[in-house]
Amino acid sequence: DGGITQSPKYLFRKEGQNVTLSCEQNLNHDAMYWYRQDPGQGLRLIYYSQIVNDFQKGDIAEGYSVSREKKESFPLTVTSAQKNPTAFYLCASSISWVGTDTQYFGPGTRLTVL
Amino acid sequence: QKEVEQNSGPLSVPEGAIASLNCTYSDRGSQSFFWYRQYSGKSPELIMFIYSNGDKEDGRFTAQLNKASQYVSLLIRDSQPSDSATYLCAVNMISGSRLTFGEGTQLTVNP
Repeated sequence: DGGITQSPKYLFRKEGQNVTLSCEQNLNHDAMYWYRQDPGQGLRLIYYSQIVNDFQKGDIAEGYSVSREKKESFPLTVTSAQKNPTAFYLCASSISWVGTDTQYFGPGTRLTVL
Repeated sequence: QKEVEQNSGPLSVPEGAIASLNCTYSDRGSQSFFWYRQYSGKSPELIMFIYSNGDKEDGRFTAQLNKASQYVSLLIRDSQPSDSATYLCAVNMISGSRLTFGEGTQLTVNP
């Protein structure tokens, strides 16, 4: 089955810890995205990648980092610099970065800071 | 002014009624418009996209776009309890691949 997988489904982080969220897609999509969703809110863009080995900051990149070494993988690291990381994190992909291309979402990772 | 605004919820309709969800956007150059449905605790799933002025129908769903008024809506006919979810409007601004989402409208369909 083609799709987007995210792991883990739930993640707990202690203060001062870095954690990495995994996102993998087998749709052969060029573009990948990371969003954050807080309760009762829409999605806010953290980082996006239009093509392998390239990525750009979104609207709320501070305290996060990404890499795009392989076309199918776009991991997100939540660093200790992110002061309020508790949220629902969603990875998405699209065929290309053209604006008319639909973005499809993975199942999400729910991160909680203890 | 928010870039994408949706009508405030929650919205409650009886089963079988038409649910109307509205969205306005600020960037006059926006090219593509998407409606996603999100069940509680789940990720968004695409319902429809629309690029041209007018109506686009898919089953019980109709998307309407009016670029002059910077307005896009989603109509759900014969609403079912399974339609109860949060509906997110997303607009692709002229700048390219960045989708901007509204905060969503929570819809409840009462049996």
